[in-house]
Amino acid sequence: DGGITQSPKYLFRKEGQNVTLSCEQNLNHDAMYWYRQDPGQGLRLIYYSQIVNDFQKGDIAEGYSVSREKKESFPLTVTSAQKNPTAFYLCASSIPGVNQPQHFGDGTRLSIL
Amino acid sequence: QKEVEQDPGPLSVPEGAIVSLNCTYSNSAFQYFMWYRQYSRKGPELLMYTYSSGNKEDGRFTAQVDKSSKYISLFIRDSQPSDSATYLCAFQNNFNKFYFGSGTKLNVKP
Repeated sequence: DGGITQSPKYLFRKEGQNVTLSCEQNLNHDAMYWYRQDPGQGLRLIYYSQIVNDFQKGDIAEGYSVSREKKESFPLTVTSAQKNPTAFYLCASSIPGVNQPQHFGDGTRLSIL
Repeated sequence: QKEVEQDPGPLSVPEGAIVSLNCTYSNSAFQYFMWYRQYSRKGPELLMYTYSSGNKEDGRFTAQVDKSSKYISLFIRDSQPSDSATYLCAFQNNFNKFYFGSGTKLNVKP
């Protein structure tokens, strides 16, 4: 079955630590996205990538970094510079272009130890 | 003014009821309209998408778009306990950027 796999499902970060969230898709989509979801707020875009080896900052990129070395993979690193990292992180992918909906993985819940 | 407004609920209805979920938006550049369903601790699942004003039906679900009023709705007929989830409206503009509502939590009681 085609889909988006996020791992791990739960992740804990210590002070001063960088952590990396994995996102893999086998939908053959060129575009991939990372969102952060906090209670009572809409999804907020962290980073997106329309093609391999290229990515752009979203609305809340500070304290995060990404890479896009393969079409299937778009890992997100939450750095120690992100002072409020506790949230539900969602990865999505789509066919690039207007009128193409996004499809989501099942998320990673990141918490601070 | 927020670009997307969605009542957070919770909305509690008895099984079999007709459910109406709504979002308003302020950006005239929104061209593409979506509804997602999100179960607890899961990612959003695409339910409906449309780009035109009017109604689109899929089984028990009907999506309605009124571009003149900047208002979209999702109707669920014969609601079931398995419909209990958070429903997110979403919009896409001409530059392929997406905007999401904060979600309405729905509880369908048996």
